[in-house]
Amino acid sequence: GAGVSQSPSNKVTEKGKDVELRCDPISGHTALYWYRQSLGQGLEFLIYFQGNSAPDKSGLPSDRFSAERTGGSVSTLTIQRTQQEDSAVYLCASSSAPTSYYGYTFGSGTRLTVV
Amino acid sequence: GNSVTQMEGPVTLSEEAFLTINCTYTATGYPSLFWYVQYPGEGLQLLLKATKADDKGSNKGFEATYRKETTSFHLEKGSVQVSDSAVYFCALSVSYGQNFVFGPGTRLSVLP
Repeated sequence: GAGVSQSPSNKVTEKGKDVELRCDPISGHTALYWYRQSLGQGLEFLIYFQGNSAPDKSGLPSDRFSAERTGGSVSTLTIQRTQQEDSAVYLCASSSAPTSYYGYTFGSGTRLTVV
Repeated sequence: GNSVTQMEGPVTLSEEAFLTINCTYTATGYPSLFWYVQYPGEGLQLLLKATKADDKGSNKGFEATYRKETTSFHLEKGSVQVSDSAVYFCALSVSYGQNFVFGPGTRLSVLP
């Protein structure tokens, strides 16, 4: 597609439920990133996929968080047993190589609210 | 490690005022430098970039020059508009690992 697409755009869930957030990167982009942005805060790195390499999961805050990238394209971020502190905007970005030249293209984000 | 430091906001200016948002970085090697902008309720958009020392990135009246000697990439605009109200993120990218490091963001409010 023309841009990075994220769905849903908004998600309200009850504490303790599992949620799945989806990211469709720009076609052909080999790198995909997930970030979290809490209200009024900066960007918190979560996970990074590059081609067929093992993902960099160093930013995932707990084992309740996991992410997959199927076929080198679509990615799903899963949060199990959601907590109120998980409430944030989850941003996905993709990039063509080399990222250091092209930069990221961000999606509009999924606003997650845990009640 | 690699890091980016930005001036703390919020920054509040009147329309047509001159804007400077300071950004300094620490990096191993020779990073590319970026400014991203986030308008209310939206994702981040690339505003401008510079990929080597002394390069000047520019877009929508904004400019920033990659200064290796001072490890800086300050964002400037000669005359801000209300529509420039947003959060501005400075970032660096290196050609290995996680690639990108973002600053904490600076919120700009422009009053009519």
